Order: sequence, then C-alpha cells, then structure tokens
Amino acid sequence: DAKTTQPNSMESNEEEPVHLPCNHSTISGTDYIHWYRQLPSQGPEYVIHGLTSNVNNRMASLAIAEDRKSSTLILHRATLRDAAVYYCILRGNDMRFGAGTRLTVKP
Amino acid sequence: EAQVTQNPRYLITVTGKKLTVTCSQNMNHEYMSWYRQDPGLGLRQIYYSMNVEVTDKGDVPEGYKVSRKEKRNFPLILESPSPNQTSLYFCASSLSGLETDTQYFGPGTRLTVL
Repeated sequence: DAKTTQPNSMESNEEEPVHLPCNHSTISGTDYIHWYRQLPSQGPEYVIHGLTSNVNNRMASLAIAEDRKSSTLILHRATLRDAAVYYCILRGNDMRFGAGTRLTVKP
Repeated sequence: EAQVTQNPRYLITVTGKKLTVTCSQNMNHEYMSWYRQDPGLGLRQIYYSMNVEVTDKGDVPEGYKVSRKEKRNFPLILESPSPNQTSLYFCASSLSGLETDTQYFGPGTRLTVL
C-alpha cells in the first residue's frame, strides 16, 4: 500500500504562512492526495485534495510536485484555530491515515 | 445542517456487556465507515459500507459487527466488548466511495471497557 511520510510536529507563528510537507514516493497514478486535519477533541475534517495540479480553496493551497512523489499543504496565514494534527492521505481504493503532523501555532 | 451524529459520545462499560454505538448522517450519503483512533496508531478503519445492505471489513474488524439496513444509519455493535476495545471511535460518511469524495466525520465516541 502506498504510504505517506510527514514530520511529527511543526511550529508556526500566528499570521505567518505554514508549509506542511508530505512525501509519498510510492503513489500510484490513480491515487488522489487528500489532506484532513483534526482539531483537539474533534473528528477529522476535510481540508483539500488534488491529483496533479496545484489546488486552492478557502482553507488552504495544495502544491503537488511534478512527479507527484511529494506535496505541500500551505496555510497562508496561520491562526491559533489552525492548531491541529494534519493528515496527508493517498486516496485510491481505500483511505489510510498516518500519524500526521501536529501543528502548533504560537501567538 | 449537514452532519454526522454519533451516540453516545461517552460510554463506560464492563467486559462482555453488549453495546451499540449509533451513527446517523443526513446528507443522503451512500458510503459510511467506522474508525477507531488509538494513541500512536492513528485512525484505523473497522468496517465500511458502500450502500444499504453492503458492508465490508476494514483493517481491524475483529470483535465488531455492523449493519446497514437504512441509508442514513450505520450502527457499530460490540457483542462482547473487551478492554482492548477501549478507544475513540469515529463514524464517517461520503457521497460514494470514490477517490475524489470528501469524508465527513462525526464528533467521536469515547469508549472505555473495564
């Protein structure tokens, strides 16, 4: 099964951009790259997804490498409410969560 | 409001006492699934259902049962709970099982089996 590798934790200052990396060197051609986040004491929530092209939505941007072996979730201006565990997931026939990156946002 | 609801949110029980955790969604989604979340192990899928009367095992189905008699409901049944099933459980739903679908998660059920 294709897997993702993310740093265990990252820190950011409030109102600064945050770049959360994800490596997925064994991604298959049909796998979509999804990002979810889990705020404290809540269920995971969808952030963004893409296949090959970079994607933007109101929450974040997703930059996908040309070879698709890595991607980066970009939060343009981190707020305290963005403190969460961020999961990078390859979605094909199934949807497997890894350990994610715990993002701490400092005021 | 579009949502996935779970009940109960918290449950403490004893070994061997059958219990059911309910899950309901109001988005007319075909796909529903159950996950458990444990420290250091992340979220692992227990069972999923592509549609009414269609269920299949996920990664950790042992000790659990599910049923899908109606589109909106997907209860998780523990016939004889054991302490190793103490965990945080999440129900999720999506329009279908496609790779592009967004999954919507419930608020979670924290289960303790003594």
